[in-house]
Amino acid sequence: QKEVEQDPGPLSVPEGAIVSLNCTYSNSAFQYFMWYRQYSRKGPELLMYTYSSGNKEDGRFTAQVDKSSKYISLFIRDSQPSDSATYLCAMSGTDSWGKLQFGAGTQVVVTP
Amino acid sequence: DGGITQSPKYLFRKEGQNVTLSCEQNLNHDAMYWYRQDPGQGLRLIYYSQIVNDFQKGDIAEGYSVSREKKESFPLTVTSAQKNPTAFYLCATNSGTVTDTQYFGPGTRLTVL
Repeated sequence: QKEVEQDPGPLSVPEGAIVSLNCTYSNSAFQYFMWYRQYSRKGPELLMYTYSSGNKEDGRFTAQVDKSSKYISLFIRDSQPSDSATYLCAMSGTDSWGKLQFGAGTQVVVTP
Repeated sequence: DGGITQSPKYLFRKEGQNVTLSCEQNLNHDAMYWYRQDPGQGLRLIYYSQIVNDFQKGDIAEGYSVSREKKESFPLTVTSAQKNPTAFYLCATNSGTVTDTQYFGPGTRLTVL
């Protein structure tokens, strides 16, 4: 069983809809949670970074962490065709010295 | 212009040849990482280095080698011992503190012919 599970999709939504992405994990030591966006044939770029449990909002993006359920989510409001990409969750613990565990990534397609 | 550069963007190799992928950064970050990405499998860690002249194996180090002679550079050699080297290779860095995240380069696509 992988430490981080993420549905690979693809997830297809119409423009303007809310995109909902999630990951589950098994390691209770994870404290830092990230979401990256990756366009085709490009390097991942950091979207959201959250420490421990709670919510964080940045523009159209909201990240949620529920450590009791070992579950993290990313919501994209008012989705645009430019949001079409693969979204990777990643996480680490205080004893892992910056090493990240990644989910497989979810491909999102926003149709005009 | 700060950032991480990887070269070349595309690389073709014949079976049995070693090839070296370049990763350079001017972010003054201590830690550097190499990942391999295959379709549907996310990122898998090959090697990482926390300081100059020191590096550790990641989850899939077999068939790869690295060096860290300078803080700015962390080249990856894909050797002929790597059985399935065709993949997208990503270099990443972070400042070396546990609360920092990783920042990625643009990647190198390696194809073995």
